[in-house]
Amino acid sequence: AQSVTQLDSHVSVSEGTPVLLRCNYSSSYSPSLFWYVQHPNKGLQLLLKYTSAATLVKGINGFEAEFKKSETSFHLTKPSAHMSDAAEYFCVVSDQNQAGTALIFGKGTTLSVSS
Amino acid sequence: GAVVSQHPSRVICKSGTSVKIECRSLDFQATTMFWYRQFPKQSLMLMATSNEGSKATYEQGVEKDKFLINHASLTLSTLTVTSAHPEDSSFYICSASSRLYNEQFFGPGTRLTVL
Repeated sequence: AQSVTQLDSHVSVSEGTPVLLRCNYSSSYSPSLFWYVQHPNKGLQLLLKYTSAATLVKGINGFEAEFKKSETSFHLTKPSAHMSDAAEYFCVVSDQNQAGTALIFGKGTTLSVSS
Repeated sequence: GAVVSQHPSRVICKSGTSVKIECRSLDFQATTMFWYRQFPKQSLMLMATSNEGSKATYEQGVEKDKFLINHASLTLSTLTVTSAHPEDSSFYICSASSRLYNEQFFGPGTRLTVL
């Protein structure tokens, strides 16, 4: 069985300050892990993915995440928040890095960015 | 990346009628397509997985006779909500994957409102 827990339902930051969105996972197999972003009334966009290569994964728009097996974590970070980063973020896990495997979504974290 | 489209983007229907939602992979052949449902301010819940040419596999609690899924070709899957009721109102999102791409690509979603 696999699952993912996003530890914060809502994170608020000021523009220009760092962003940290926390995610812990549980998987019986070597997991593939993803972060997706969803802006209001728009589709899901892949920010980054971990697939058993480098543990520090760099994504789009300055985001990155570090896979820590000992802590079963895959936290998303960004050094400096921008107003356009305000959105819903989902941490996602799948058991195997295979195209036909279903994704398991976390409950999501709403990121608010104030000026 | 690959592109997945959904049609319609929004649909409003009367209770008791059926609604068909199309999911198309525009520039690749999708061996597997997934259908998700997202309630307001909640995460995506997998409804079913469909492989081209075979019957869909439904998640526990999803009525297969109510949510008919057809994956007749490598570029098209359809979800038909039969005898829709107001509680079926939701955001339906499809994703598609193939052996060529080692990830899923999401459509923009379809917002269904049942009056």
